[in-house]
Amino acid sequence: AQTVTQSQPEMSVQEAETVTLSCTYDTSESNYYLFWYKQPPSRQMILVIRQEAYKQQNATENRFSVNFQKAAKSFSLKISDSQLGDTAMYFCAFYNQGGKLIFGQGTELSVKP
Amino acid sequence: EAEVAQSPRYKITEKSQAVAFWCDPISGHATLYWYRQILGQGPELLVQFQDESVVDDSQLPKDRFSAERLKGVDSTLKIQPAELGDSAMYLCASSLSSNQPQHFGDGTRLSIL
Repeated sequence: AQTVTQSQPEMSVQEAETVTLSCTYDTSESNYYLFWYKQPPSRQMILVIRQEAYKQQNATENRFSVNFQKAAKSFSLKISDSQLGDTAMYFCAFYNQGGKLIFGQGTELSVKP
Repeated sequence: EAEVAQSPRYKITEKSQAVAFWCDPISGHATLYWYRQILGQGPELLVQFQDESVVDDSQLPKDRFSAERLKGVDSTLKIQPAELGDSAMYLCASSLSSNQPQHFGDGTRLSIL
């Protein structure tokens, strides 16, 4: 079975600093997508960044970047220059060839002023 | 930016009662998803529609849950009878097709007393 594991239930970071959220996954597929979603308190889940497994180059979206290690099945999210608005639950998700999105347990990130 | 609309935002009901949730996807999105998110966990797919057809309902407890998307646009998820363990956030998402990014609604938070 395909699984996504986020080993950090909670993390905190000072405003303007950098934080890295970890994610590992398990699959036998070679082609797939990986995502990071952000879910602010009482607000909708929004897509932060996505990575195609066949691309070696790590995806970047403004202050958000990933470290994709396909052989290690690792997909970490780095947030640079953290802002108070980054406070949220962050979910790593795996999209398989069957069209199913599988989420990790989430990491609750608190950005402190 | 177009959004996925869900109602109600909150629902409190007693066990054994019937409850229904409604979702209106982004216009033109052929694929619609219902997820259940238990507090502190990632969302889990309940049912996926492609237009009006069910593509995947393998995780839907069919003895008490039903879902329909009669005209291939908006969708209703029903629980009858509700149980205490059904307390959760119910999220609706839509995408242009099954291999495109999913856009989430605000969700319906269900509390069973």
